[in-house]
Amino acid sequence: GQQVMQIPQYQHVQEGEDFTTYCNSSTTLSNIQWYKQRPGGHPVFLIQLVKSGEVKKQKRLTFQFGEAKKNSSLHITATQTTDVGTYFCAGPRWKTSGSRLTFGEGTQLTVNP
Amino acid sequence: EADIYQTPRYLVIGTGKKITLECSQTMGHDKMYWYQQDPGMELHLIHYSYGVNSTEKGDLSSESTVSRIRTEHFPLTLESARPSHTSQYLCASSLPRDSNEQFFGPGTRLTVL
Repeated sequence: GQQVMQIPQYQHVQEGEDFTTYCNSSTTLSNIQWYKQRPGGHPVFLIQLVKSGEVKKQKRLTFQFGEAKKNSSLHITATQTTDVGTYFCAGPRWKTSGSRLTFGEGTQLTVNP
Repeated sequence: EADIYQTPRYLVIGTGKKITLECSQTMGHDKMYWYQQDPGMELHLIHYSYGVNSTEKGDLSSESTVSRIRTEHFPLTLESARPSHTSQYLCASSLPRDSNEQFFGPGTRLTVL
């Protein structure tokens, strides 16, 4: 079945360094979503990408969707301690009863001040 | 902030007890989900529902059961809790389309002694 894989699993950076997490799907995705989960919290939706090659920015965060719509990345410029958390990508998976999201394993980001 | 609620937030219970985790949303969403997540780890879908009287098992086998008698309510029940059930349980909801973001509740952290 469809799998969504994320790397790296963990990333430790110094405050001010950049950070990137990568998401790869075994099948073409109609869209991809990104979520952030703060330590002790719940996942919160960040953004959705739909078009091939799409790039979206949210302040210091840049999201990309690959040309083949099978991979995506999230890049954070000049990390801050508020960026700490786990970042998940998620893509829809179709079943006979309808679609639901398949989440990647997540990338845990820690930022040393 | 999304209007999706979970109770209790924390539960410590002995082996063999029956428990029900409550999840309610006031957004009128047809789709609802239950995920199991160990701290800092990936999200495992254990149950989902596309609407009233519709429930299906997710990717991770679970001894829990769910019901969907009302649109806004999606409780999860464990007939006989065991230490292996210790985890965080997250409820989520979304609109019907596969491109719709999921809104997560705050979670229930369950500990079975």
